[in-house]
Amino acid sequence: AQKITQTQPGMFVQEKEAVTLDCTYDTSDPSYGLFWYKQPSSGEMIFLIYQGSYDQQNATEGRYSLNFQKARKSANLVISASQLGDSAMYFCAMKAPVNRDDKIIFGKGTRLHILP
Amino acid sequence: EPEVTQTPSHQVTQMGQEVILRCVPISNHLYFYWYRQILGQKVEFLVSFYNNEISEKSEIFDDQFSVERPDGSNFTLKIRSTKLEDSAMYFCASSGPGAHNEQFFGPGTRLTVL
Repeated sequence: AQKITQTQPGMFVQEKEAVTLDCTYDTSDPSYGLFWYKQPSSGEMIFLIYQGSYDQQNATEGRYSLNFQKARKSANLVISASQLGDSAMYFCAMKAPVNRDDKIIFGKGTRLHILP
Repeated sequence: EPEVTQTPSHQVTQMGQEVILRCVPISNHLYFYWYRQILGQKVEFLVSFYNNEISEKSEIFDDQFSVERPDGSNFTLKIRSTKLEDSAMYFCASSGPGAHNEQFFGPGTRLTVL
């Protein structure tokens, strides 16, 4: 069965510090995609970053990077130099197999609070 | 930048009433989805839609739910007889030609069933 696990329900981090949000996944499909979404208090879901299972390098998008450890089945999100606007709920998600019409399954999320 | 839009942003209805949630996916996208998020919980898949038919549906998507693409732009979710437990945020998403096939989410419709 496919599963996404986020073990940190909440985190408090000082502004400008780096943040690592944990995510582990489980799937038997060799081809899968991993996503991170940000959900601010306004409720919308904002796509942040994607990692494919066959990608050789860790994905990066600006201040976001994905620490992909395939053998450990982990896909942690790293936010460098955190900002107050990073305070939000963060969801790790997976699509397996990576077919175009397949659903995304989500973890329970981590609520990140950035402290001034 | 193109985006998925949803209307209304908030819908309040009485239990047993029918509701239709509307979505306009990104114009060149071919795959459409509905998800829901009960307050404080994770996002759950409801249904995917491609080529004018349902590709996959979850166990949540029972006979009370239906989806339709009535024209070239809209994608709707209908709940025939709402229950209290249908109260949630409903997200529409679409995906299409793209490097990662990521799904772009709309801003959501908050449905409150009284």
